Amino acid sequence: AQSVTQPDIHITVSEGASLELRCNYSYGATPYLFWYVQSPGQGLQLLLKYFSGDTLVQGIKGFEAEFKRSQSSFNLRKPSVHWSDAAEYFCAVGRSGTYKYIFGTGTRLKVLA
Amino acid sequence: EPEVTQTPSHQVTQMGQEVILRCVPISNHLYFYWYRQILGQKVEFLVSFYNNEISEKSEIFDDQFSVERPDGSNFTLKIRSTKLEDSAMYFCASSQTGVTNEKLFFGSGTQLSVL
Repeated sequence: AQSVTQPDIHITVSEGASLELRCNYSYGATPYLFWYVQSPGQGLQLLLKYFSGDTLVQGIKGFEAEFKRSQSSFNLRKPSVHWSDAAEYFCAVGRSGTYKYIFGTGTRLKVLA
Repeated sequence: EPEVTQTPSHQVTQMGQEVILRCVPISNHLYFYWYRQILGQKVEFLVSFYNNEISEKSEIFDDQFSVERPDGSNFTLKIRSTKLEDSAMYFCASSQTGVTNEKLFFGSGTQLSVL
């Protein structure tokens, strides 16, 4: 069955520290992979996406993610977290021919000053 | 950046009542979507819509749900007879071309509470 797992429900980091949010997927076809962020009162905003090519993708707000096919992972990273990064982060997977993205349950990030 | 607008932000209704959730997609977008998130659960796809037709729907999107583009700017989701389990955050999204790796623009959601 197709699924996306975000193992960490909550993560707390100090401002300036590095961040890695985990995402694992189970998907039969070659996946499209996305990370979305939701700040309080806001919609889901796309941070980055991968569908082919270089497995290290750069996104907005200084985020990057690496697709590792052998590990079925697409982890999100940021070298230095800012207080404004506090939000909920969603990993999602899709494929060619469908709009039915499958989302993870989200990871809520708290940033300590 | 252009925005998808959803109204209302919160809606409370009684079980069995009809509700209509409203969305204004980005003006030059042609593809429209509804997703929902039940509290503590995953964001789930409901339906996609293009050219006044449903192009894809999930098993969640049963006969009590319907979508409509009543004019050139609005996109609505109607739930005919709400159930307690319909309580969720409903997200509208739109995209320009419908290419399935294209960026979806999401609204901020409507929190529906069914009592």
